[in-house]
Amino acid sequence: EIVLTQSPVTLSLSPGERATLSCRASQSISHYLAWYQQKPGQAPRLLIYFASNRATGIPARFSGSGSGTDFTLTISSLEPEDFAVYYCQQRSNWPLTFGGGTKVEI
Amino acid sequence: EVQLLESGGGLVQPGGSLRLSCTASGLTFSSYAMAWVRQAPGKGLEWVSAISGSGGDTYYADSVIGRFTISRDNPKNTMNLQMNSLRTEDTAVYYCAKDRWLGSTTWEFDSWGQGTLVTVSS
Repeated sequence: EIVLTQSPVTLSLSPGERATLSCRASQSISHYLAWYQQKPGQAPRLLIYFASNRATGIPARFSGSGSGTDFTLTISSLEPEDFAVYYCQQRSNWPLTFGGGTKVEI
Repeated sequence: EVQLLESGGGLVQPGGSLRLSCTASGLTFSSYAMAWVRQAPGKGLEWVSAISGSGGDTYYADSVIGRFTISRDNPKNTMNLQMNSLRTEDTAVYYCAKDRWLGSTTWEFDSWGQGTLVTVSS
């Protein structure tokens, strides 16, 4: 099973600041990584697929990068609605796995 | 607009069974792979099971193999998860999710239901 380790667990920032979230895979997963955002009481929302492609309707301030084992989700300038928990997910190998999440808080 | 609606959650005793359903609208259901993802209270996301658009290919997390069965009824736009031999650790909100790619599989999920809560407790 591929283990995804997200860091930091919590990121304390202010609106307008840049957020950099990390996801590290226990073995190479090429570009087969997605990022999701989840707000309290809501279902997850797909942000990024195939490591760097924004999903439909996702603002340009969200960007993804990386390949192999190291991936980054960057939010260039935090908006109030961006404070949430972010998960990475790999689909390189079965079983599909998610990282433990990074909470972006004010 | 794609809509996914889960149903069938509830309280069940350890060792019991429950059948979850996900009813889809706003899409050509048979063209999309689907999955179940769960979230224990206060915890992260855990993939449970997945099924191809035709229903011919199914996949399971190790933790549910032999206990859960995924299926779909394409004419009824419905996916199901039969859960047997339930354990306390199966307590979670169960989400159904749709693959983002028409006609093939990426196992990346761009639409999700609101979730249904399963509580396994005596």
